[in-house]
Amino acid sequence: DVKVTQSSRYLVKRTGEKVFLECVQDMDHENMFWYRQDPGLGLRLIYFSYDVKMKEKGDIPEGYSVSREKKERFSLILESASTNQTSMYLCASLRRGRDYGYTFGSGTRLTVV
Amino acid sequence: GNSVTQMEGPVTLSEEAFLTINCTYTATGYPSLFWYVQYPGEGLQLLLKATKADDKGSNKGFEATYRKETTSFHLEKGSVQVSDSAVYFCALSDSGGYNKLIFGAGTRLAVHP
Repeated sequence: DVKVTQSSRYLVKRTGEKVFLECVQDMDHENMFWYRQDPGLGLRLIYFSYDVKMKEKGDIPEGYSVSREKKERFSLILESASTNQTSMYLCASLRRGRDYGYTFGSGTRLTVV
Repeated sequence: GNSVTQMEGPVTLSEEAFLTINCTYTATGYPSLFWYVQYPGEGLQLLLKATKADDKGSNKGFEATYRKETTSFHLEKGSVQVSDSAVYFCALSDSGGYNKLIFGAGTRLAVHP
């Protein structure tokens, strides 16, 4: 089974800090995604990547950036954390082909104080 | 653009009741459709999927049929259990593009003994 690992389960950061959320997958998948989950809003796509060094904005990219230097790792960066970025962040990896599907990490609950 | 609309919750049922959670979508092309489930305190798990019109996805007693004529993918279960209490997300993948996964807002299901 594909494993998608997010480095932290809970994080507390201060307003203005630069925050790095890490995501690693172990199956050489090309497509990776970052979402944030908020009650009543479902999951909203922040950024995605379809190959090393390739990235595209999702629906809510403002205040975020990403890095994909190696295929297995996709990092989400909050350039200057703000309280409205307090949320659950979920990373996903896409398996193509016959068994097409997405695998999600366990999520990082970020609180910005 | 592509979007997913699912019925608002919470849905409250007694054990062994019949469940329907409505999901409709707007998409160009031929998306794949998914239902994900999130149990309290856990990440997202794939419940079932369908990749083309008239396909039926099924798992753990849940079913959903990909209806292109009504652009729907309603989730059903004949007899719910307390352990089915969770949040259910309908999603589509624009498999002809960047394979972005687009979610509905989620429906919370509470099953009482």
